[in-house]
Amino acid sequence: DAKTTQPPSMDCAEGRAANLPCNHSTISGNEYVYWYRQIHSQGPQYIIHGLKNNETNEMASLIITEDRKSSTLILPHATLRDTAVYYCIVSSSGNTGKLIFGQGTTLQVKP
Amino acid sequence: GAVVSQHPSWVICKSGTSVKIECRSLDFQATTMFWYRQFPKQSLMLMATSNEGSKATYEQGVEKDKFLINHASLTLSTLTVTSAHPEDSSFYICSARVRPGSFDYGYTFGSGTRLTVV
Repeated sequence: DAKTTQPPSMDCAEGRAANLPCNHSTISGNEYVYWYRQIHSQGPQYIIHGLKNNETNEMASLIITEDRKSSTLILPHATLRDTAVYYCIVSSSGNTGKLIFGQGTTLQVKP
Repeated sequence: GAVVSQHPSWVICKSGTSVKIECRSLDFQATTMFWYRQFPKQSLMLMATSNEGSKATYEQGVEKDKFLINHASLTLSTLTVTSAHPEDSSFYICSARVRPGSFDYGYTFGSGTRLTVV
């Protein structure tokens, strides 16, 4: 599975959009980009995932570059409860495709 | 949505004893489940992939005789930490692929088990 690179930490003002970048330059054609977040001492929470096209759900938007070598997770209106570690992961779509976690980005939403 | 229930949420055991952690898929069948371990201030580390009806596949460096995994049904996988020692104290998390090959949901995670070995 391809490796991802994320900034270790980011700050965001409450109510503003949080844009979290992720580089995955070695991604292969059958690998999806997944985003999860983990709030302290809890299991990771699914946010969104995509293959080629941009995706949007009730939590966030995922923007994937045309060459698929990088992506951005957008939380449109960050709240204090969005403070968490955000993980960008690439994985194949096969039955045994597994999620390998990197160090993630610690997002601190400030009032 | 797809829910994975993990029990217990925390456990304290004496050194040398064994501890079993359960992971259940509540509203879907999980042919594949994953077990992770997380130390304080670190990321999740994949320990093994649990396949229903067959032997688990362990990641490099994980002792299969120490971390016994059983996936006897499509809704239950268990991790048993045998002869636990203080260095096994960690946060253990299970995960299941909701619908292999499907675009929906991806993977869902349990709430984790905090193991403390004294």
